[in-house]
Amino acid sequence: AQKITQTQPGMFVQEKEAVTLDCTYDTSDQSYGLFWYKQPSSGEMIFLIYQGSYDEQNATEGRYSLNFQKARKSANLVISASQLGDSAMYFCAMREGSGYSTLTFGKGTMLLVSP
Amino acid sequence: EAQVTQNPRYLITVTGKKLTVTCSQNMNHEYMSWYRQDPGLGLRQIYYSMNVEVTDKGDVPEGYKVSRKEKRNFPLILESPSPNQTSLYFCASSLRATGNTIYFGEGSWLTVV
Repeated sequence: AQKITQTQPGMFVQEKEAVTLDCTYDTSDQSYGLFWYKQPSSGEMIFLIYQGSYDEQNATEGRYSLNFQKARKSANLVISASQLGDSAMYFCAMREGSGYSTLTFGKGTMLLVSP
Repeated sequence: EAQVTQNPRYLITVTGKKLTVTCSQNMNHEYMSWYRQDPGLGLRQIYYSMNVEVTDKGDVPEGYKVSRKEKRNFPLILESPSPNQTSLYFCASSLRATGNTIYFGEGSWLTVV
């Protein structure tokens, strides 16, 4: 079974609108971390936001917020006020347990922002 | 400036010709790892290292070797590259093995013909 599932291969959004990118995860560990990365066409991986499993509040970083629903094992990324520069591939990833900094990635969602 | 530096960034090589992709970090990080990214598969871990002289296999180690002789460097070695190793490779590092702040290099595009 996949540990990280991103069900949206592609998403379209208009500039200035909000968009939610879905991510569900599967782990039996109580302690884990969830990450979102952005990959523009140039290829680099840009860290966006992190949520720890014991964090009581949803993480926020500027226009990015993480809608963390632990019981449903979902960690959706919300981008508010989309910009053209947000067009990129987005990856959800998980680090399980108190173990190593090994990330398990989903297959990604391609976001296209139109004017 | 905190950096993870990979070289080369782009390489086209031929089947069977040994190559090394270097990775260097300037943050005194203990933990380093290599991932490969393939279309539709996301990133998958190849090898990781918890500290100098401590390395272990990730999910897709076949066809790769690594070494960690110094803390800052973690080279990825393809002894006899094959076309199925054509991929985008990322090196990553974090302060400790349990760190949540993980830095990625800019990626190395490797094509094996």
